[in-house]
Amino acid sequence: NAGVTQTPKFRVLKTGQSMTLLCAQDMNHEYMYWYRQDPGMGLRLIHYSVGEGTTAKGEVPDGYNVSRLKKQNFLLGLESAAPSQTSVYFCASSFEGGPYEQYFGPGTRLTVT
Amino acid sequence: GNSVTQMEGPVTLSEEAFLTINCTYTATGYPSLFWYVQYPGEGLQLLLKATKADDKGSNKGFEATYRKETTSFHLEKGSVQVSDSAVYFCALSDWNAGKSTFGDGTTLTVKP
Repeated sequence: NAGVTQTPKFRVLKTGQSMTLLCAQDMNHEYMYWYRQDPGMGLRLIHYSVGEGTTAKGEVPDGYNVSRLKKQNFLLGLESAAPSQTSVYFCASSFEGGPYEQYFGPGTRLTVT
Repeated sequence: GNSVTQMEGPVTLSEEAFLTINCTYTATGYPSLFWYVQYPGEGLQLLLKATKADDKGSNKGFEATYRKETTSFHLEKGSVQVSDSAVYFCALSDWNAGKSTFGDGTTLTVKP
């Protein structure tokens, strides 16, 4: 069991460039989440999904899009990167039906210059 | 909305000292409560959980009790080790929406 994996681990973008972060889980979890972690601000939810083909906005969705075409994958897209999107991005997943303990990936460190 | 407030850090302790990290929450309904730990360069991992009032979660010498009357879930360990140095996050989950709310994290450093 690989658990939750994230690709890539590191990335540097120039302002205005686009990219997609990939999250994959092999635990057959229904729910998946994307967070960003910034110093002193804890974890903030960007988008989440409660099942294949569904997505919903979290606390800080602006500037990001997501897709959940397959149950095991959850993609996070940045269409036009901005320096304010410099952060560490974490993907997580959980079983349906509670208590919703989350399993996290190792993170992607993104720098936008 | 839901919120989680954690004791501000950083916290620095000597090895074998007693640890308490305070956590209080605001939520509607009856959330589940969690402590997660994040080691340097890694993602968060579940440390312990409690799903109803008066439940005690425990793992690796850490424990926390779900106190509904004080809306608290304080993390304790009787004797910390250098290997416990990490960032600790308190969190609650909303059964209706399947989402979690995290505190800002408390950095613990344990010195030999």
